[in-house]
Amino acid sequence: GAVVSQHPSRVICKSGTSVKIECRSLDFQATTMFWYRQFPKKSLMLMATSNEGSKATYEQGVEKDKFLINHASLTLSTLTVTSAHPEDSSFYICSARVGTRGYAEAFFGQGTRLTVV
Amino acid sequence: EDKVVQSPLSLVVHEGDTVTLNCSYEVTNFRSLLWYKQEKKAPTFLFMLTSSGIEKKSGRLSSILDKKELFSILNITATQTGDSAVYLCALTQGGSEKLVFGKGTKLTVNP
Repeated sequence: GAVVSQHPSRVICKSGTSVKIECRSLDFQATTMFWYRQFPKKSLMLMATSNEGSKATYEQGVEKDKFLINHASLTLSTLTVTSAHPEDSSFYICSARVGTRGYAEAFFGQGTRLTVV
Repeated sequence: EDKVVQSPLSLVVHEGDTVTLNCSYEVTNFRSLLWYKQEKKAPTFLFMLTSSGIEKKSGRLSSILDKKELFSILNITATQTGDSAVYLCALTQGGSEKLVFGKGTKLTVNP
């Protein structure tokens, strides 16, 4: 199947700094990418939907100024956690969809474990 | 509020056992139900179900959807240690981009 590469897999940062997470579709063009957040023993929660060349659509309760999403090309979307705080520590996962097909064609990245100290 | 409930939350079995994982849901405008396997990192796609009563099968795994009773089950026969993972159920709804996930069932298969 298609490959989605997410980097870094793990990052530790100091409170107040910003962290950028990259999500790349390696062998297909992803018009739509999704960013999820997962707390321990909790569901994957959709944070935002990123469409190439346009602004991301954020879910209710997600601060768009804090979680900056850029989808500048058909193979790369980035999530920047700005002014990170310990409560932002979580597991972040991206997924990319092939064209406009259904979710059976959405492939997930490996995830990024963010720890803010 | 829409919700997806998976049960049990965790399950420990021995190799060779058969397990049944449950996913019940209450959503408006249901479109499809998906099962994923999540090991240490990324979820991997298992099945997508849209119609009631049609079993999807892949090797030792199978799944079926009941749209009348609003639930799905994932069966794993002759379990192996490599089946140990968190199994996630997710839904899509018409007119929405969202995948709504349940909390998952953590399956541990002991040798």
